[in-house]
Amino acid sequence: SQELEQSPQSLIVQEGKNLTINCTSSKTLYGLYWYKQKYGEGLIFLMMLQKGGEEKSHEKITAKLDEKKQQSSLHITASQPSHAGIYLCGLYYGNKLVFGAGTILRVKS
Amino acid sequence: EAGVAQSPRYKIIEKRQSVAFWCNPISGHATLYWYQQILGQGPKLLIQFQNNGVVDDSQLPKDRFSAERLKGVDSTLKIQPAKLEDSAVYLCASSLVDLYEQYFGPGTRLTVT
Repeated sequence: SQELEQSPQSLIVQEGKNLTINCTSSKTLYGLYWYKQKYGEGLIFLMMLQKGGEEKSHEKITAKLDEKKQQSSLHITASQPSHAGIYLCGLYYGNKLVFGAGTILRVKS
Repeated sequence: EAGVAQSPRYKIIEKRQSVAFWCNPISGHATLYWYQQILGQGPKLLIQFQNNGVVDDSQLPKDRFSAERLKGVDSTLKIQPAKLEDSAVYLCASSLVDLYEQYFGPGTRLTVT
């Protein structure tokens, strides 16, 4: 969507390496969602960040919300093949959940 | 707890044909959503139901798409007639209440030839 821009569009990392995905909003960030999608499957909820400075972790995945920059970052530590997929950020805008285009992550073993 | 169920998983049709997708949300979830996800893009909301009433269908192409949620439980989304640009994954999601965490089904991959 135009409201959310994700970078990079795609990423290939060697297994064991760390990586960061960014999601930048053109609107005030409130209630930023991160989802993961495997090819041909639905979206799996990872976490939701509600306020500036908030940081949450799910296994080896950590997400932070920077309200001033209107940005959220998703960091994966020691990537594994199971982390491969499409990572999508979503934001409620006008009572509608809008998504970024996604970041495709491939992990080489 | 059973997740959101969708069928069929895959469908191939020719343009100008019609197609219908079915979704059964998580039990007790009042809000149901249909999204369209074109390859390389994030999901786009087509229609949102609260129980059996429509909350938002502003992005639903109403000349060819229709959706219903009779009895406030499962839902069907129909396309008639289909166009080539309708090729996409159609995702159904549900949530306990509006503006809350959404749970997604596996999606239906539609190919229009």
